[in-house]
Amino acid sequence: QSALTQPASVSGSPGQSITISCTGTSSDVGDYNYVSWYQQHPGKAPQLMISEVSHRPSGVSNRFSGSKSDNTASLTISGLQAEDEADYYCSSYTSINTLVFGGGTKLTVL
Amino acid sequence: QVQLQESGPGLVKPSETLSLTCTVSGGSLSSYYWNWIRQPAGKGLEWIGRIYISGSTNYNPSLKSRVTMSVDTSKNQFSLNLTSVTAADTAVYFCAKGRRGIDYWGQGTLVTVSS
Repeated sequence: QSALTQPASVSGSPGQSITISCTGTSSDVGDYNYVSWYQQHPGKAPQLMISEVSHRPSGVSNRFSGSKSDNTASLTISGLQAEDEADYYCSSYTSINTLVFGGGTKLTVL
Repeated sequence: QVQLQESGPGLVKPSETLSLTCTVSGGSLSSYYWNWIRQPAGKGLEWIGRIYISGSTNYNPSLKSRVTMSVDTSKNQFSLNLTSVTAADTAVYFCAKGRRGIDYWGQGTLVTVSS
């Protein structure tokens, strides 16, 4: 299985909005509404930010939102804050009953 | 709230078997799926596989020939064995909960493959 495709890096200024894309295939992202997004700060374990494309777990800021169109899922962070600077990963359930991750995106808050 | 803690040797010799255990607290293993995920230094996440309480497993096709997972309900633990390791298997290994996504993660443990 091939990793999902994410941009290596994105950046934005405090208060702005950014979007991170996650592109897969019709065997994963395109066929299932089981895309999740994770935030990982250096030296820490990833933390779930979005599940099932657009569901925000309890405790996650409503500045984080998710969507999907065809084979591409997106994570949008609005009202950027310094604490949002981190690596972000997407994952998707696949047609062979496995899980596949994206390569990760480094978010820099300018 | 479920908590996961990895344990095992931090150093493994090439060609040997990497063995890790994950202890689950704050909840039962029952009715959930349990995963192993790894991350080489400075790189992305790689899903290794998952196991259900019944013992049913699913593995990453690229690692399937070298991976075995097991579960011990009496100890509320599940385990990973990765055989014939090389330097490319050096990574932080995370245990985690979830089936079609991951909702809880362990803190991770660094395993270095070196002679």
